Amino acid sequence: EAQVTQNPRYLITVTGKKLTVTCSQNMNHEYMSWYRQDPGLGLRQIYYSMNVEVTDKGDVPEGYKVSRKEKRNFPLILESPSPNQTSLYFCASRPRGGHQPQHFGDGTRLSIL
Amino acid sequence: DAKTTQPPSMDCAEGRAANLPCNHSTISGNEYVYWYRQIHSQGPQYIIHGLKNNETNEMASLIITEDRKSSTLILPHATLRDTAVYYCIGTSGTASKLTFGTGTRLQVTL
Repeated sequence: EAQVTQNPRYLITVTGKKLTVTCSQNMNHEYMSWYRQDPGLGLRQIYYSMNVEVTDKGDVPEGYKVSRKEKRNFPLILESPSPNQTSLYFCASRPRGGHQPQHFGDGTRLSIL
Repeated sequence: DAKTTQPPSMDCAEGRAANLPCNHSTISGNEYVYWYRQIHSQGPQYIIHGLKNNETNEMASLIITEDRKSSTLILPHATLRDTAVYYCIGTSGTASKLTFGTGTRLQVTL
């Protein structure tokens, strides 16, 4: 089954403790992206990657890092999480060709205390 | 991405057609209209997209006005499982991101 898989689905942690949210897709998509969703603010893009070893900032990249060493994986790294990064996070992927819809993961709910 | 305007909420009786409007008067010639929906806090789900012709798939129909300034998503026989927030997005398709607005919260009732 074609899917985007995120782990963990839920995480409660404390300020400053490094964490990584993994994202993996099995559709051989070139493009991957991370969004965060907050009440009243909609979904906002954090980082995106057009292909392996190619990443770029989205609208709200501060406090986050990403890497794209393999086509299928696009982990989101919070080196020193803070409470304002408490949010619902989504990973998405799509093929490189134009006018292709994005496929989203089921989300990761992070709570930073 | 084009700026889109949608009503904040709508109700629909189960079994009836749900018609969700979207205004995108600033859409440019190479931008498609995409519709996604989000059920509770699940990941957004793609529904349909189109450029200027009407489109239909197994989930819905998309009607785009001739001037492309507005469109309507039609769920022909709404069910309770269609209760969700529906997002209309105007994008070139090759853009690096999707800009989600606040969408329309559709409530399907018995």
